[in-house]
Amino acid sequence: QLQLQESGPGLLKPSETLSLICNVSGGSISSTSYYWGWIRQPPGKGLEWIGSIYYSGSTYYNPSLKSRVTISVDMSKNQFSLKLTSVTAADTAVYYCAREHDNRYFDYWGQGTQVTVSS
Amino acid sequence: DIQMTQSPSSLSASVGDRVTITCRASQSITKYLNWYQQKPGKAPKVLIYAASSLQSGVPSRFSGSGSGTDFTLTISSLQPEDFATYYCQHSYTTPYTFGQGTKLEIK
Repeated sequence: QLQLQESGPGLLKPSETLSLICNVSGGSISSTSYYWGWIRQPPGKGLEWIGSIYYSGSTYYNPSLKSRVTISVDMSKNQFSLKLTSVTAADTAVYYCAREHDNRYFDYWGQGTQVTVSS
Repeated sequence: DIQMTQSPSSLSASVGDRVTITCRASQSITKYLNWYQQKPGKAPKVLIYAASSLQSGVPSRFSGSGSGTDFTLTISSLQPEDFATYYCQHSYTTPYTFGQGTKLEIK
């Protein structure tokens, strides 16, 4: 059974860089059928897609965040990561990693990790 | 960006009711429309992909229809475990966007 698990700091100060890792177990991140994505959800609000990556390193990002986002993959560790620079309070959210099926839907999700930006 | 608008934003219903949630896209997305269910404190779970395909393991009381700009999610007979928030999401092109959610509550 595929499992995804997010990890990273839960509290950041404004202007810092958010760094999260998604560890994938029960399956290979280098599968040719899938992308791997990040989605976030501010408290009490809806879902926002951040970006996705293929095992080869090919990425696509939400233009609203593109200038601040980097998603990378580490096949040796079977994990992928998210970096978001210059965070503000507006970046406070639960961050989810998920597998993007080649039919373009997210079929496996991590449990989510809360990130709070506060001075 | 393609905007996704769900209606209603909230809905009260009883166990056994038939419920329909609507999602409208700001432009045609052909059949690139997915539906998710989210319970408090949990990650979303995909129910329907490509507008009408039932994800493996999802009960058959869930169904989806539509194409172009108008889509519906139908629950044929509500069960207690179905009370949750439902989101539509388009995957026609990037950026993928989600609807604002429909909260389904017990009447």
